[in-house]
Amino acid sequence: DSGVTQTPKHLITATGQRVTLRCSPRSGDLSVYWYQQSLDQGLQFLIQYYNGEERAKGNILERFSAQQFPDLHSELNLSSLELGDSALYFCASSVQELNTEAFFGQGTRLTVV
Amino acid sequence: GDSVTQMEGPVTLSEEAFLTINCTYTATGYPSLFWYVQYPGEGLQLLLKATKADDKGSNKGFEATYRKETTSFHLEKGSVQVSDSAVYFCALSDILTGGGNKLTFGTGTQLKVEL
Repeated sequence: DSGVTQTPKHLITATGQRVTLRCSPRSGDLSVYWYQQSLDQGLQFLIQYYNGEERAKGNILERFSAQQFPDLHSELNLSSLELGDSALYFCASSVQELNTEAFFGQGTRLTVV
Repeated sequence: GDSVTQMEGPVTLSEEAFLTINCTYTATGYPSLFWYVQYPGEGLQLLLKATKADDKGSNKGFEATYRKETTSFHLEKGSVQVSDSAVYFCALSDILTGGGNKLTFGTGTQLKVEL
């Protein structure tokens, strides 16, 4: 158990809908990352937050947004969902902001039908 | 940009065989390097890390040495077990130009160990 908690574990929704994925980082970790894992793209970095502030953006679509709250949990919002958004979404956390290992949650498997 | 290249899988070995999974990287700065392992239906687990050139990371019988001259971080284990069957990801962590940090992953190498 990494100490990173993601909910829900599975999510099935229809095209055009909006969903929210939730992540609670390890106790004491200030940095949260979101990654998308799919068969064709592999593991893609989406976004990083550190202590409530956005720090880095990767290949995140405009339909997707995220935030980190004062209690350090984070949410990833996915809207206008398309079939191609079906993937495993991972949250990871780390103590420091820079150049450090990250600890991953079990992921949320999103299926868009 | 930064990139990580891993050997293609799947790799199938007999129990107690020697394992090598090759990993090379391209980075502009001085990244930290990691190996993560993903068991079926689970998230990624950190296996080992190295933060500077010539560092050797080790854990659970696995080892990897940070080779700056060859930009490599190959994963090795002397004697694999069936329980080592999983997907292994090489990754680097680097500071981004505009600030912040990200892990860049290789495509993963599936390892299957048979009795």
